[in-house]
Amino acid sequence: NAGVTQTPKFQVLKTGQSMTLQCAQDMNHNSMYWYRQDPGMGLRLIYYSASEGTTDKGEVPNGYNVSRLNKREFSLRLESAAPSQTSVYFCASRWTGVYEQYFGPGTRLTVT
Amino acid sequence: TQLLEQSPQFLSIQEGENLTVYCNSSSVFSSLQWYRQEPGEGPVLLVTVVTGGEVKKLKRLTFQFGDARKDSSLHITAAQPGDTGLYLCAGGTQGGSEKLVFGKGTKLTVNP
Repeated sequence: NAGVTQTPKFQVLKTGQSMTLQCAQDMNHNSMYWYRQDPGMGLRLIYYSASEGTTDKGEVPNGYNVSRLNKREFSLRLESAAPSQTSVYFCASRWTGVYEQYFGPGTRLTVT
Repeated sequence: TQLLEQSPQFLSIQEGENLTVYCNSSSVFSSLQWYRQEPGEGPVLLVTVVTGGEVKKLKRLTFQFGDARKDSSLHITAAQPGDTGLYLCAGGTQGGSEKLVFGKGTKLTVNP
């Protein structure tokens, strides 16, 4: 089992460029999440998906879109990247009714 | 918006010392989780507490959930260099802990 995988691991974008961060889990989890982690800010929820076919906004959704492609995959899209979106992005998943979230290794994104 | 205040933000101690990390809020949480994160990796769950007043022990780590379910603490006895890392508390915000609110983290360094 690979757990939660994320691609790419590193990315540098210029302001205004777009990109999609990919996340996949092989644990048959129902819920999936996207967070960003900034120095001194902890983890902040961007979007989450409680089940296949549903998505909902988190604390900091502006500038992002998500797609729950199927039960395994949950992607995060930046349509027009801004320097304020420079961060480390983590995807996570969990079983419904179980507390623990399993995290991927993260994507380090720099927007210049 | 529910907030979790975590303190201290940084802690540098010598091997063998004891330490306590605090996580406080004015809000009630359905559960409280503690994660540990190594550099370049995603957070990994250490423990979940769900009942007010609950105490859980994991080897040299003791976790406590406040009676009112608004605060929690992590106590490490006889810290070792292998305990070095970022410790994050996270509160469950809905009945099934569907979403988590994270504290900003405590960066612990244990010097040999």
